[in-house]
Amino acid sequence: NAGVTQTPKFQVLKTGQSMTLQCAQDMNHEYMSWYRQDPGMGLRLIHYSVGAGITDQGEVPNGYNVSRSTTEDFPLRLLSAAPSQTSVYFCASSYGQSYNEQFFGPGTRLTVL
Amino acid sequence: GQNIDQPTEMTATEGAIVQINCTYQTSGFNGLFWYQQHAGEAPTFLSYNVLDGLEEKGRFSSFLSRSKGYSYLLLKELQMKDSASYLCAVRGYGGATNKLIFGTGTLLAVQP
Repeated sequence: NAGVTQTPKFQVLKTGQSMTLQCAQDMNHEYMSWYRQDPGMGLRLIHYSVGAGITDQGEVPNGYNVSRSTTEDFPLRLLSAAPSQTSVYFCASSYGQSYNEQFFGPGTRLTVL
Repeated sequence: GQNIDQPTEMTATEGAIVQINCTYQTSGFNGLFWYQQHAGEAPTFLSYNVLDGLEEKGRFSSFLSRSKGYSYLLLKELQMKDSASYLCAVRGYGGATNKLIFGTGTLLAVQP
């Protein structure tokens, strides 16, 4: 199993550009989530999904969209990038809503100029 | 509101024991987690406590007191590879039960 994969590893955008961060898992996990990690802020939940076709907002959803058309994939879309979205983004998955261990992807380091 | 506090940095010596504390105030509680994160890498799961007491897993142990809103992670026989950030996270009730609130992490430096 590849586990949780994320692409790209690094990305530089200009203010106002849009892009999609990809996340995929091959463990048949129901629950997937997106976090951003900033210095001194810890990991903050952006959006999450409890299964295909079901998504909901986390702590910091503004400026981001998600969809979950398949169990495997959970892309994160930046609609109009802003410098405040410069961060490291992690995707995570777990077998179910109440399972204890979440598996994190390797992260995408995004810089918005 | 929800708040999780842990020390920003700690230093310890190879072979020693170190305790990393975490205090929390959350609107609901359904488990406390510890994750390890090496620089430039993803967090990896270390431990989970939902009942009061000590959970031991090899060199790592985690303790929880729900009445005090307090947990600690104990690392024994420290090795250089234990130098990392240690993240405390709390899972609340309501909605998707796997929503975690993370603390800012404790950066542990293990010295020879």
